[in-house]
Amino acid sequence: DAGVTQSPTHLIKTRGQQVTLRCSPKSGHDTVSWYQQALGQGPQFIFQYYEEEERQRGNFPDRFSGHQFPNYSSELNVNALLLGDSALYLCASSLGVLGETQYFGPGTRLLVL
Amino acid sequence: AQKVTQAQTEISVVEKEDVTLDCVYETRDTTYYLFWYKQPPSGELVFLIRRNSFDEQNEISGRYSWNFQKSTSSFNFTITASQVVDSAVYFCALSEVAYSGAGSYQLTFGKGTKLSVIP
Repeated sequence: DAGVTQSPTHLIKTRGQQVTLRCSPKSGHDTVSWYQQALGQGPQFIFQYYEEEERQRGNFPDRFSGHQFPNYSSELNVNALLLGDSALYLCASSLGVLGETQYFGPGTRLLVL
Repeated sequence: AQKVTQAQTEISVVEKEDVTLDCVYETRDTTYYLFWYKQPPSGELVFLIRRNSFDEQNEISGRYSWNFQKSTSSFNFTITASQVVDSAVYFCALSEVAYSGAGSYQLTFGKGTKLSVIP
């Protein structure tokens, strides 16, 4: 049973560029959440997708956007990259939305120069 | 607003010692869920346990045990006879059941406790 997968594993961008990160959920899961983890900090919630719609959003600017596809996979897009966007981006999948356990992928390490 | 506090930033123990990781949470909801995750150096968060607010029974799984006390808003994690493979950052997380349309929730994490087990 495949777990949550993310691509790419590492990425280097320069300020002002745009980036797209991808996530495939665990088999049978229909909900995808994205988190940003800065060095030495706990993950911070960005947003959650369910039935191809953004159902909840954390305190992140509109430069952060996402999408969920009919097969439940998801993309996270970040426009106009800032140095402060350098972080580990984690995708989590779950079944339904109410209190279900979220299972995490290995993450994408983004470095903005 | 929900909040999770892990006051211990780093802990070092010698192999085979017992160690307890503290977690204190704040929430206004009566229905909520608590989680512990392990993050090894590779970066992937590994799920350890989930507990809902109506179940205060302590749980034991092998060398791991969890003590949930609503009266003190704490959900502490104990590793018995620690091993080098237990070295990682451990996160406590909270989710409230926030209703918005069909319902949704998010995980709020503490800042984590880095555990180093020395052989």
